[in-house]
Amino acid sequence: DIQMTQSPSSVSASVGDRVTITCRASQDIRSWLAWYQQTPGKAPKLLVYLASRLQSGVSSRFSGSGSGTDFTLTITSLQPEDFATYYCQQANSFPLTFGPGTKVDIK
Amino acid sequence: EVQVVESGGGLVQPGGSLRLSCPASGLIFSSHWMSWVRQAPGKGLEWVANINQDGSDTYYVDSVKGRFTISRDNAKNSLYLQMNSLRAEDTAIYYCAAWSESGGWFDPWGQGTLVTVSS
Repeated sequence: DIQMTQSPSSVSASVGDRVTITCRASQDIRSWLAWYQQTPGKAPKLLVYLASRLQSGVSSRFSGSGSGTDFTLTITSLQPEDFATYYCQQANSFPLTFGPGTKVDIK
Repeated sequence: EVQVVESGGGLVQPGGSLRLSCPASGLIFSSHWMSWVRQAPGKGLEWVANINQDGSDTYYVDSVKGRFTISRDNAKNSLYLQMNSLRAEDTAIYYCAAWSESGGWFDPWGQGTLVTVSS
């Protein structure tokens, strides 16, 4: 099984800050990676797929990059609605696996 | 608007069974792979199962193999999860989601239904 790790596990930031979240796969997953945002009590929301493609309707503040085993999600100019938990997910092979999540909270 | 709406969750005793349902609207259901993903209270996301468009191909996480069965009825635009021999560790919110075969992402997601396994 492919293990996914994320760092940091949590980050405190202010409105307007730039935040970068890293996701690492235990083996090469090419570009088969998605990022999700989840706010408390809500279902996850797709932000980025195929490592760098922004989902329709998602703010351009979000961007994804990387391939192989190392990936990043960057949020530029953090907004109040961006305080949430972010998960990466590999789709290279079954079982599909998620990272443990990165919580972005208000400093 | 694309919608998937889960139902069927509730409280069940260890060893019991439950069947979750997920009718979908606003998408060509029969053209999509579908999935179940769960989230234990206060924990992260865990993929549970996938099913292809005509139901002929299914995949499961090891921890539910032999106990859970994913199925679909394309005539009713509905996805199901039959859960048997439930354990306390199966307690979670269960989400239904469409899965992209071309890229492996989940979208859209339902709002989730809570399954609690407890005596």
